[in-house]
Amino acid sequence: QKEVEQNSGPLSVPEGAIASLNCTYSDRGSQSFFWYRQYSGKSPELIMSIYSNGDQEDGRFTAQLNKASQYVSLLIRDSQPSDSATYLCAVPGGSGGGADGLTFGKGTHLIIQP
Amino acid sequence: SAVISQKPSRDICQRGTSLTIQCQVDSQVTMMFWYRQQPGQSLTLIATANQGSEATYESGFVIDKFPISRPNLTFSTLTVSNMSPEDSSIYLCSVDLGDHEQYFGPGTRLTVT
Repeated sequence: QKEVEQNSGPLSVPEGAIASLNCTYSDRGSQSFFWYRQYSGKSPELIMSIYSNGDQEDGRFTAQLNKASQYVSLLIRDSQPSDSATYLCAVPGGSGGGADGLTFGKGTHLIIQP
Repeated sequence: SAVISQKPSRDICQRGTSLTIQCQVDSQVTMMFWYRQQPGQSLTLIATANQGSEATYESGFVIDKFPISRPNLTFSTLTVSNMSPEDSSIYLCSVDLGDHEQYFGPGTRLTVT
């Protein structure tokens, strides 16, 4: 069964600092990885995709992938109060092993303190 | 990305009844999905809905409880049948625009009393 693990938090980070969010996954065959941001009462929004080992940067966001360790992280530089949200890590495929859809972690609740 | 809408945005239903949720996307897409997000929880995939074929359900979800239609490449429906309070959740549709990147509709908040 496919699993994605995240620390649920809350993770509290002062404004302007770097927020570091972590995710591990069970399926060594996973080839792509996604970070979604979900504000309270809203649907998830795709913010980062990463497909190969190393770093993928987009503005203040950097996704890091280490397939050998089955580990994905998301760094948010210069954290802003508007970054306060739940961040969900996801891998392709259903939790039962199907190829389609996404399996999500439980999400990390991030709080940026002004 | 894509513009995805869902109807209704929320509903309160009595146990034993059924509710059909609609999902409309502004472009043709092959793969659509339905997810459930129970209160305080993450998203769980219910089924994959591809046009022209039967929906594929994840473990723990069955067609009799969650029948799905996919009549064309821009539209899908999910019915929650014979509802109980345990079905109170947010139901979300999503579309895959390639490379497994999925974009979500705004969700339908269902409360069963």
